Amino acid sequence: QSALTQPPSVSGSPGQSVTISCTGTSSDVGGYNRVSWFQQPPGTAPKLMIYEVTNRPSGVPDRFSGSKSGNTASLIISGLQAEDEADYYCSSYTSSRTLVFGGGTKLTVL
Amino acid sequence: QVQLQESGPGLVKPSDTLSLTCGVSGFSISSANWWGWIRQPPGKGLEWIGYIHYSGSAHYSPSLKSRVTMSVDTSQNQFSLKLYSVTAVDTAVYYCARTDCSGPSCYIDYWGQGTLVTVSS
Repeated sequence: QSALTQPPSVSGSPGQSVTISCTGTSSDVGGYNRVSWFQQPPGTAPKLMIYEVTNRPSGVPDRFSGSKSGNTASLIISGLQAEDEADYYCSSYTSSRTLVFGGGTKLTVL
Repeated sequence: QVQLQESGPGLVKPSDTLSLTCGVSGFSISSANWWGWIRQPPGKGLEWIGYIHYSGSAHYSPSLKSRVTMSVDTSQNQFSLKLYSVTAVDTAVYYCARTDCSGPSCYIDYWGQGTLVTVSS
């Protein structure tokens, strides 16, 4: 299985919105409700931000949302804040009953 | 609150076996969840290694499958990873994690803090 494709970096100013894409295949991202997103500030373990494409765990701000079209999923962060600066990873369940991660995207808040 | 804690040697010699254990608290490992491992080489991205159910059924990354074994100890509420014939490219922070498969797919919902394993002579 190949890693999912994410842009290496994105940036935005406080208050703006940014979108991080995650592209896979019909065997992973394109399947039903298979995508999750993680936030990883430097030196810390990843934290679940979105699961099953659009669902937010308790405690995650509603500024974070997810969507999907075909084999590409997206994480949208609105009302950008300085504390959102981190690495973001998508992950997908696959038809082989395994998991696969994206290469990661570094979000810089200008 | 579910908590996971990795333990094991921080230094492993090339060609040896990397062995890590993950202790779980706040939740029974004998549940519908799967228990897995993810690693992250210094300065690089996350790589999924595999996961195991308390029944012993396991799924591994195709790229590591030939060198990986996972096991579960329900009496100790912990699970383990063995990675054989390691080389320097196996140097990474290793995370243990819980995977929720109760819905239409599976996703990681809880992570350990991670432990750095360095492969060097």
